Amino acid sequence: GAGVSQSPRYKVAKRGQDVALRCDPISGHVSLFWYQQALGQGPEFLTYFQNEAQLDKSGLPSDRFFAERPEGSVSTLKIQRTQQEDSAVYLCASVQGSNQPQHFGDGTRLSIL
Amino acid sequence: QKEVEQNSGPLSVPEGAIASLNCTYSDRGSQSFFWYRQYSGKSPELIMFIYSNGDKEDGRFTAQLNKASQYVSLLIRDSQPSDSATYLCAGQGTGNQFYFGTGTSLTVIP
Repeated sequence: GAGVSQSPRYKVAKRGQDVALRCDPISGHVSLFWYQQALGQGPEFLTYFQNEAQLDKSGLPSDRFFAERPEGSVSTLKIQRTQQEDSAVYLCASVQGSNQPQHFGDGTRLSIL
Repeated sequence: QKEVEQNSGPLSVPEGAIASLNCTYSDRGSQSFFWYRQYSGKSPELIMFIYSNGDKEDGRFTAQLNKASQYVSLLIRDSQPSDSATYLCAGQGTGNQFYFGTGTSLTVIP
């Protein structure tokens, strides 16, 4: 597609459930980033892939968060045993190369009840 | 200390005025800086990026970078009500991470 595609756009889950968020980057973009954005805040870095390699996962808030990009294209962010504090917008961005800007998807708004 | 700091505002300017948005960063190794605009409920969209010291102009927008002072700014000339949004400053760190500020809320008053 022409842009970064994320699904679902909205996800409501009960506390304790597992969720999976999908990101389909712009074709040919090597790098892929995941961010968490709370209301009124800027995006907070979660993790970063270059092709299929997860080069940095220092932003993942706990071991309940897991991300993968097995074929270097589509990525999935999984959150296990969700908690209310996980409620946020999860943004995915892809980048063509070094020193290039990020292109964001529309995000997934996650609400944990 | 956050890697990128912005004044959260809100900043209000009258239509037609110049809006000035400022950002400081802590990682001296950062090479690239980006300004994004984010409307409420939408994802960030790129306005400008700048790598070199000095000014970079694109239409009504001018980005300014001062690496010695670790300072980045965005000027919006002839501000329009449609410019009302949150403006995010981001820097790309030495580890390829992008660090975002908390954003500055801008309101352009007709």
